[in-house]
Amino acid sequence: EAGVTQSPTHLIKTRGQQATLRCSPISGHTSVYWYQQALGLGLQFLLWYDEGEERNRGNFPPRFSGRQFPNYSSELNVNALELEDSALYLCASSPDYNYGYTFGSGTRLTVV
Amino acid sequence: RKEVEQDPGPFNVPEGATVAFNCTYSNSASQSFFWYRQDCRKEPKLLMSVYSSGNEDGRFTAQLNRASQYISLLIRDSKLSDSATYLCVVNMYSGGGADGLTFGKGTHLIIQP
Repeated sequence: EAGVTQSPTHLIKTRGQQATLRCSPISGHTSVYWYQQALGLGLQFLLWYDEGEERNRGNFPPRFSGRQFPNYSSELNVNALELEDSALYLCASSPDYNYGYTFGSGTRLTVV
Repeated sequence: RKEVEQDPGPFNVPEGATVAFNCTYSNSASQSFFWYRQDCRKEPKLLMSVYSSGNEDGRFTAQLNRASQYISLLIRDSKLSDSATYLCVVNMYSGGGADGLTFGKGTHLIIQP
């Protein structure tokens, strides 16, 4: 069974640009979660999508947004990139919010 | 008060020793509890779920104390490969329902030869 896949693995952008990160959940999982992990810091919850709808979002500005497609894959968009957006962005999926999450290997975003 | 609190460590432990971590959580309505392991610059991986009755998986034992709102992880006969950051994870709830999993900042464990 394929795990959670994320693309791209690495992304380098210039301040002010937009970044798009993609995630495909494990087959059969309808929930997708996005987390940000800045270097040396803990995981910060960004967004939760389930059945195509945004269920919850963390304490991040509106320039962090996303969507979930009918096939349950998801996209995270970060507009007007700032240097402090440089981090590892992790996507996870689960069959239900009471279950543990399975993470993808992440997208490392560097803003220069 | 932080939602999930852990001692960041590092815990420096000789190989073969037993080590224990604790974690406290703030939301008494939490229903699901987990321990994850994260290696340097890698994604977190589920180590084990934590059940009310306590559970064991090989050298690892997890305990839950709902009354005191803390979770523990015990590692026996520690191996060099156990060196990692261990994340305490709790399912949080608010007035709107489940908020998803909240991760502690992790406890850094270093097993020394």
